[in-house]
Amino acid sequence: QVQLVQSGAEVKKPGASVQVSCKASGYTFSSHNIHWVRQAPGQGLEWLGWINIGNANTKYSLKFQGRLTITRDTSANTAYMDLSSLRSEDTAIYYCARFHGLYGMDRWGQGTPATVSS
Amino acid sequence: QSVLTQPPSASGTPGQRVTISCSGSSSNIGSHNVYWYQQLPGTAPKLLIYRNDQRPSGVPDRFSGGKSGTSASLAISGLQSEDEADYYCAPWDDTLGGPLFGGGTKLTGL
Repeated sequence: QVQLVQSGAEVKKPGASVQVSCKASGYTFSSHNIHWVRQAPGQGLEWLGWINIGNANTKYSLKFQGRLTITRDTSANTAYMDLSSLRSEDTAIYYCARFHGLYGMDRWGQGTPATVSS
Repeated sequence: QSVLTQPPSASGTPGQRVTISCSGSSSNIGSHNVYWYQQLPGTAPKLLIYRNDQRPSGVPDRFSGGKSGTSASLAISGLQSEDEADYYCAPWDDTLGGPLFGGGTKLTGL
């Protein structure tokens, strides 16, 4: 079955960077884009960006331009989200989601909590 | 910057019907399909409705979606206790260049 399994919780200091991985299984990895979404404590969902797994093209929300990098390793069926220059407002649960052309974000990872604190 | 407006909360009792609205603009709902996601407490979001009014397999027919112009809606009939969750609309947005999430509606009272 289709699964997205994310890396574990992170604790970072302000100014540092965090990387979250998202390993896909159960489908052809290159057939669907991966999106990244985050949710701050008690808040709603916020879209960060996406990557075309086939050609590695990316699109980022303007809010995160310059701080966000999304990559993929097709040999490992894994996508990565790197967020730099962390501040306390980046404390959130980070989700990856598979984007199906028909169904939208139809499969989600379990989420990775990232805490930014001095 | 585009905004999608959802009521922050909705309530109902078991067996009732509730409707959640999602108001957008021409750059999102007006020109793209709407998706709805259900997020149960402490879990990842789950796809509930795709392409405005389609249900993925496994989603009960108590859930239905609609769209008209720059607004969309999610209706839940025959409310059950397990429907207590947060609900998000999320059409593609041309300004954002990706999916734009509404603020979410928390369904309570069940």
